[in-house]
Amino acid sequence: EVQLLESGGGLVQPGGSLRLSCLASGFTFNTYALAWVRQAPGKGLEWVSGITGSGDNTYYVDSVRGRFTISRDNSKNTLDLQMNSLRADDSALYYCAKSSSWDWTDALNLWGQGTMVTVS
Amino acid sequence: NFMLTQPHSLSESPGKTVTISCTRSSGSIAGSYVQWYQQRPGSSPTTVIYETNQRPSGVPDRFSGSIDSSSNSASLTISGLQTEDEADYYCQSYDTRTVIFGGGTKLTVL
Repeated sequence: EVQLLESGGGLVQPGGSLRLSCLASGFTFNTYALAWVRQAPGKGLEWVSGITGSGDNTYYVDSVRGRFTISRDNSKNTLDLQMNSLRADDSALYYCAKSSSWDWTDALNLWGQGTMVTVS
Repeated sequence: NFMLTQPHSLSESPGKTVTISCTRSSGSIAGSYVQWYQQRPGSSPTTVIYETNQRPSGVPDRFSGSIDSSSNSASLTISGLQTEDEADYYCQSYDTRTVIFGGGTKLTVL
C-alpha cells in the first residue's frame, strides 16, 4: 500500500526540541522529493520544508530556518524533521507529503495523516 | 515572497457551479504551476488539480482549473456541485524554491 506514516509528535515546552519521523511505503522512495506541511488548529496549510530525492538539496520557510532540519534516509524510507528552539506558534498538525516529482515545488500527491505538535 | 489570496468562504446549492479564485500578489500567476487541494473535515489534503489545469486520475471532470493573467489569478471551478464537495480548498504555487499556499476557502454545499 502506498502510504506515509508520521510519528514523533507530542507536548513540549517552549525552547524545547522534538524530532518527527515519516515512514514511507509503496513507492520508489529515493525518486521523489518530500515535504513537511503544517496546519495550526482551525487554520490553513503552511509549507515548512522540502528535500530532494537524493537529500542533497533542502529548503525552509523563513520562520523555521535555522531552527528546523529536514533529512531523509533512503535506505530506510524515512523522512525526519528535527525541530529545535520550539515556539508556541510552531504548534500544529505536521504532515509529511510526497511530491509528484524530484522537485518539492510540484504537486504533493500523497499525504500522511499528520502528527500533532503542541508547544506549551 | 508573494501571497495567494482566496475568498474565506463560499456557499452554493447542489447541482450549481462554483468558482474559487486565487490571486497572486506579485509575480505572474502564469509563471509557475498552480495546484489545488481539497481537505474534507478531519482528513488530510488531496490533490484535485495539478499543473494549473490537470486532473489526477479519480478526480471527476466536474473539477477544472484555469488562470486569468489579466487579474493574475487562478481559479478552481466545480460544476454539478454535490454534497461531498463540501470541504476546504487550497491553492498552491511556488517562487524560486519557496512553496506558498493560499489561505483556503471553505465551500459549503447546501
